[in-house]
Amino acid sequence: LAKTTQPISMDSYEGQEVNITCSHNNIATNDYITWYQQFPSQGPRFIIQGYKTKVTNEVASLFIPADRKSSTLSLPRVSLSDTAVYYCLVGPLGAAGNKLTFGGGTRVLVKP
Amino acid sequence: KAGVTQTPRYLIKTRGQQVTLSCSPISGHRSVSWYQQTPGQGLQFLFEYFSETQRNKGNFPGRFSGRQFSNSRSEMNVSTLELGDSALYLCASSGDSVSGANVLTFGAGSRLTVL
Repeated sequence: LAKTTQPISMDSYEGQEVNITCSHNNIATNDYITWYQQFPSQGPRFIIQGYKTKVTNEVASLFIPADRKSSTLSLPRVSLSDTAVYYCLVGPLGAAGNKLTFGGGTRVLVKP
Repeated sequence: KAGVTQTPRYLIKTRGQQVTLSCSPISGHRSVSWYQQTPGQGLQFLFEYFSETQRNKGNFPGRFSGRQFSNSRSEMNVSTLELGDSALYLCASSGDSVSGANVLTFGAGSRLTVL
């Protein structure tokens, strides 16, 4: 299983771009990278998923270099409501449980 | 489309008691997995059920058990509760498609406090 490493915390200010990098050095060929957002006492919420290069949706972008040993979640122009913990997950499509590797989470604090 | 529903949201038990938590997955999802989340250990996988069969199991003692019903609803049970079982228990469901993106959808969790 891929081992994932994320920074423990990051501070930012409203309107700035936040970039969170997840390292997954031994990612497998059939593994995808998925990012989740979690607020206190709530379940993680899906943000974005990708396999390689760049994926963008209405809330975030995901950059994955050619070697796929890391990935960067980019949150453009954050607001106070983006204060949350962000998790990186690595594993095959449709996988659950012990086929997935969870990062330890990055606590993002957005300041006014 | 309704999300993943977990009940109860909050509960308090005492050591030695047992507890049952319930999870209703998204309609059409056949995979249900359970996770324990604590500040110190992060997200830890408990077990996964698919079509009423346990497909995967994490590294938890036998006090933790689960089952899935024919309508894909799932329950997990913890017997002989210990203080260390205090945690947020999360349930996630996913479809079984083999094409396209397939992600876990989590419920809001059941917050268990053991006194």
